[in-house]
Formats: sequence, C-alpha cells, structure tokens
Amino acid sequence: EAGVTQFPSHSVIEKGQTVTLRCDPISGHDNLYWYRRVMGKEIKFLLHFVKESKQDESGMPNNRFLAERTGGTYSTLKVQPAELEDSGVYFCASSQGTLSTNIQYFGAGTRLSVL
Amino acid sequence: RKEVEQDPGPFNVPEGATVAFNCTYSNSASQSFFWYRQDCRKEPKLLMSVYSSGNEDGRFTAQLNRASQYISLLIRDSKLSDSATYLCVVNRYNFNKFYFGSGTKLNVKP
Repeated sequence: EAGVTQFPSHSVIEKGQTVTLRCDPISGHDNLYWYRRVMGKEIKFLLHFVKESKQDESGMPNNRFLAERTGGTYSTLKVQPAELEDSGVYFCASSQGTLSTNIQYFGAGTRLSVL
Repeated sequence: RKEVEQDPGPFNVPEGATVAFNCTYSNSASQSFFWYRQDCRKEPKLLMSVYSSGNEDGRFTAQLNRASQYISLLIRDSKLSDSATYLCVVNRYNFNKFYFGSGTKLNVKP
C-alpha cells in the first residue's frame, strides 16, 4: 500500500514568488494534516482537513498560505508571496477516523528554501 | 511554555547500551501519546503509542506518568540502526492535531 506522498521533495524559490506543495494521502484516509518545521524548531501544526472540509486551520501563519483539498483526495498548500521566514520542511500526514488515538502517517516532506 | 519539551541530546552511546529519554507535556488535557522516530531527511514514523499502563515492544519500553505529565522511552541493547531522532508527540482528546517535541537525537556507536 502506498504511503503519504509529497511533491516536490525540494523547492528553491526567490522571495515574492509563489510555490504550491502537493500531498497525496493514504487512500481512504479522510483526515489530512499539514505541519511545518522551521530550522531549529519543533514540527508545528498548520491545518487539518476532514475530507474536503477544513476542520482546524488555527496553525496557518497568515493569509499568504492557502490550503485546498478539492474532492477530498489530494491537497495543495500554496504560499503566495513567499517570504524568507517561510523556509522549512512542510510535512503532510493522514489518518483514518476521528479518535485522538488514531495514528498519523507522515510523508517525507517538502523542503522549501526561500532566497 | 512549549506544549512538549524534550532534551535535544545528542545521546552518544555504545552498541548494547541501555538509554532512556524523557519528555514532559504542559497540558493536562492531553490524552494520547506517541513516540515517533525520524531518520535524517526522512518522514517521522510511528515507533510506538504510549498507554497509561506502559507498554513494551521488543527492546523498546514506553511509560506514561499522568500525575507528573511525562513520558519516557527506554531502549535496551542499542543497535547501530537505532541512531535517529526520537520525537515525543501528544494529542488532546477530541482534537486531532499533534503537538511535537523538538526531538532527542540518539547516536549509537560501534
């Protein structure tokens, strides 16, 4: 069974440009999460989808970040315009069900470098 | 105050050693607890869930102390392949977002 896949694995862009990250969750997982790790810090929650609906977007840093999950399958996270402080590793995770004990499975991440 | 605190290490131990990591969490509403393992530039992978009664999986033992709000991971008979960063993760009841510690780095030396 395929795991969570993310594309691209690495993106280098200039400040002010736009970047779109993609995540394909494990098939059948209704829950999809975005997390981010900036240098020297812990992994932090950005947002949670249940199917195509945003369940919790309390971690989104500002309105330059836009996440979508049309059709409840894959998700995209767009950063527009990118700033230097957006550099980091963006992880996607997916899980089944609604219990807090449900395990989240992570993708390998997209390493974003904003120059 | 951070939600989850871990000693970043690194812990440098010889093969065969026993090593223990602790992690503390700040919110008493936290309900689910996990240890994830992350290799360099790879995805975090679940190592084990942590239950109130404590649980063991081969060489790995996890304990939860709710009164003191800390979680521990014990690794016995360390292998070179255990070298990784170990992430302490908590999840609150009815909320699905994970709160991560910054990770503890383990280096197992020959």
